[in-house]
Amino acid sequence: DAGITQSPRYKITETGRQVTLMCHQTWSHSYMFWYRQDLGHGLRLIYYSAAADITDKGEVPDGYVVSRSKTENFPLTLESATRSQTSVYFCASSEGTGVENTEAFFGQGTRLTVV
Amino acid sequence: AQKITQTQPGMFVQEKEAVTLDCTYDTSDQSYGLFWYKQPSSGEMIFLIYQGSYDEQNATEGRYSLNFQKARKSANLVISASQLGDSAMYFCAMREGQNFGNEKLTFGTGTRLTIIP
Repeated sequence: DAGITQSPRYKITETGRQVTLMCHQTWSHSYMFWYRQDLGHGLRLIYYSAAADITDKGEVPDGYVVSRSKTENFPLTLESATRSQTSVYFCASSEGTGVENTEAFFGQGTRLTVV
Repeated sequence: AQKITQTQPGMFVQEKEAVTLDCTYDTSDQSYGLFWYKQPSSGEMIFLIYQGSYDEQNATEGRYSLNFQKARKSANLVISASQLGDSAMYFCAMREGQNFGNEKLTFGTGTRLTIIP
């Protein structure tokens, strides 16, 4: 199916465990983003990637690792999960064309609970 | 400093009335884009409208229009003739970054809009 998909949709993990959230897009968009959504904070950018093998930190990168070996995949890893990382995580993709109207497309979100 | 500021955490509006959701932004770039997204209770992010920094006219998409005041760095969303289905969280966002590789898409904290029958 065309689009952007995240997996899993729901995840419960224990403090200290490593967990990886997957994101896959079928459009070959150059840009991909990871956000976390928390009450009162909106969507905060964790990491983003302009192309395969090009990644950069966003606003809240601590405790997270990303990679982008292929254009279509952008996994997010929590190296040692903490309760403060309980959140809803959104992956998004878009073309990067400056001022042109290229919206970002979002996955369905992953609700992660760290206990 | 906040890149995107949405000062209205929540709003209640009577059905069929128009509503304005406020958004101010901060950037030193000359080229940037402004977006509005809607997030209903089901959680998905729905793109509503876009305004480029060089666009001279305000963007419109059906019942949505964007009141773009560049000098004041504001990009308010106007919804005309509100409907019950407009009840949702609304996010303002900005894409900035002039060079390939550093374009970021930053969101505000959102406004929860509730339409009253």
